Amino acid sequence: KQEVTQIPAALSVPEGENLVLNCSFTDSAIYNLQWFRQDPGKGLTSLLLIQSSQREQTSGRLNASLDKSSGRSTLYIAASQPGDSATYLCAVSSNTGKLIFGQGTTLQVKP
Amino acid sequence: GAVVSQHPSRVICKSGTSVKIECRSLDFQATTMFWYRQFPKQSLMLMATSNEGSKATYEQGVEKDKFLINHASLTLSTLTVTSAHPEDSSFYICSATSGPDYEQYFGPGTRLTVT
Repeated sequence: KQEVTQIPAALSVPEGENLVLNCSFTDSAIYNLQWFRQDPGKGLTSLLLIQSSQREQTSGRLNASLDKSSGRSTLYIAASQPGDSATYLCAVSSNTGKLIFGQGTTLQVKP
Repeated sequence: GAVVSQHPSRVICKSGTSVKIECRSLDFQATTMFWYRQFPKQSLMLMATSNEGSKATYEQGVEKDKFLINHASLTLSTLTVTSAHPEDSSFYICSATSGPDYEQYFGPGTRLTVT
């Protein structure tokens, strides 16, 4: 059974700092991996999608990497801003499209 | 990115009544829609997978007679919580996708409170 773990559960950094969020999964037979952002009481916003054949994806200040063999992904956020404060969720999918989510990392960026 | 809407955003109902939640993909055709529930401070738990024109597939432990799912078109899926009880109070979120190669786009969620 696939299990997804995110470390740390919470993170607080000063504005401008670069940071890394970690995601690990137990079954390397994934179809793709997605990183999402969730603001309190809101739905999810897709940040980056990495196909299983890819190693990384970049969008603006965000860079996500995938090492399928070791069951790990990281989300790198450069030059963090207070507006980046949110919960970040990692999810892996099977070929049916079903997503298994981690518990999330709650990020606070202090001005 | 693509837009998925949910209606209503919030609903309060009395115990024993039924509530219908709609999920719509506004600018793309969704072959598959998923329904999740999220308890406070917890992650999303998949409830069921809904493919247009076929019966939904429910995850283990989810009562299909309690959570009725209909996916009548490529842009609309509905979740009906029947005979709701206070323990059904939760945040229900849908997602839609054009297929496993594509991103899943999530709706804004529906906050259900059963009194």
